[in-house]
Amino acid sequence: DSGVTQTPKHLITATGQRVTLRCSPRSGDLSVYWYQQSLDQGLQFLIQYYNGEERAKGNILERFSAQQFPDLHSELNLSSLELGDSALYFCASSVVGAGSPLHFGNGTRLTVT
Amino acid sequence: DQQVKQNSPSLSVQEGRISILNCDYTNSMFDYFLWYKKYPAEGPTFLISISSIKDKNEDGRFTVFLNKSAKHLSLHIVPSQPGDSAVYFCESTGGTSYGKLTFGQGTILTVHP
Repeated sequence: DSGVTQTPKHLITATGQRVTLRCSPRSGDLSVYWYQQSLDQGLQFLIQYYNGEERAKGNILERFSAQQFPDLHSELNLSSLELGDSALYFCASSVVGAGSPLHFGNGTRLTVT
Repeated sequence: DQQVKQNSPSLSVQEGRISILNCDYTNSMFDYFLWYKKYPAEGPTFLISISSIKDKNEDGRFTVFLNKSAKHLSLHIVPSQPGDSAVYFCESTGGTSYGKLTFGQGTILTVHP
């Protein structure tokens, strides 16, 4: 058990809809990261938050947004969903420090029909 | 711009033999390299890391080698066990992309009994 909790585990929705994915980081971790893994693809970095503030951005679409709340949980909002957004979305957390490993949740599987 | 590459999508090994997983990177400013293992329906879990100031790090059956001149790292698993069958990702951090974590595409390792 990594200590990172992601909800929901599965989400099925229609094109054009909006969904929110939630992540609770490991206790004590201030950094939260979001990744997307599409079929047969690697882990694509989307965005990182540190203690409530955006720290780094990767290949995140403008239709996607995220935030980290004062209690350090994070939400990833996906809007105007397209079929191609179907993927596994992982959240990870880490402590501050060079080379600190990421601790991943078990992901949310999003299916857009 | 894929800064970290795992050129072998899959590797098949007999139980008890050595598994060697490879990763190439382009950014010489990376200062830490990490390996993760991922089972189906789970998030990746941290396996082992190495700092750029070292050329080898060992942890039980797992050893990571770093060749900075070739910008290449490898993960050796010996002896391989069927439970090692998983997808392995390498990750690099540091340099000018602080906070951005770059993952390879992953290598599927299958260890046959």
